[in-house]
Amino acid sequence: RKEVEQDPGPFNVPEGATVAFNCTYSNSASQSFFWYRQDCRKEPKLLMSVYSSGNEDGRFTAQLNRASQYISLLIRDSKLSDSATYLCVVNDGRALTFGSGTRLQVQP
Amino acid sequence: DAGVTQSPTHLIKTRGQQVTLRCSPKSGHDTVSWYQQALGQGPQFIFQYYEEEERQRGNFPDRFSGHQFPNYSSELNVNALLLGDSALYLCASSLGQGPSNQPQHFGDGTRLSIL
Repeated sequence: RKEVEQDPGPFNVPEGATVAFNCTYSNSASQSFFWYRQDCRKEPKLLMSVYSSGNEDGRFTAQLNRASQYISLLIRDSKLSDSATYLCVVNDGRALTFGSGTRLQVQP
Repeated sequence: DAGVTQSPTHLIKTRGQQVTLRCSPKSGHDTVSWYQQALGQGPQFIFQYYEEEERQRGNFPDRFSGHQFPNYSSELNVNALLLGDSALYLCASSLGQGPSNQPQHFGDGTRLSIL
């Protein structure tokens, strides 16, 4: 079993749609959680940190459920510029462990 | 405020050769981590350097080694290159070592191709 598992992609959605990504992690001792965004052939860039209380940044909402070891990312009102690969990332206290990523393609 | 910088951007080598990749951390950061990202996969942790010592290591063979200099910059060395070493090599920097809620900042990466 992979340490961080994400929904398989790609997700093809029309502009304006709401899309949700899910992620599960296996290490219950994991300490911090993030979503990164990676554009084609570019480096990963931090999208947002994820907290148990949930956090929102504009159209993006992230949620952590420690009991279920589950992380989610919700994107509302999708834009063409949201097209990218979204990486679920867990810090186990040693290093970042990345999921394989979920590719999102927003279509006009 | 300079971000994480890596060099070179692209590199082509042949099997059996050795390669050195370089990284300068973001200004104010003292910890450097290296990752390997194969096509279609997420980055995989190689190792982390702090205070010029390797502090953490992922599941990579001894062919992968590194170094950190007093100015916090770092090198990744790979010996006896294999075709499977073809990947994007990412350097990330952060402040401090160990558990942290602080995210890491990535450089643009070095794309290594092995022929």
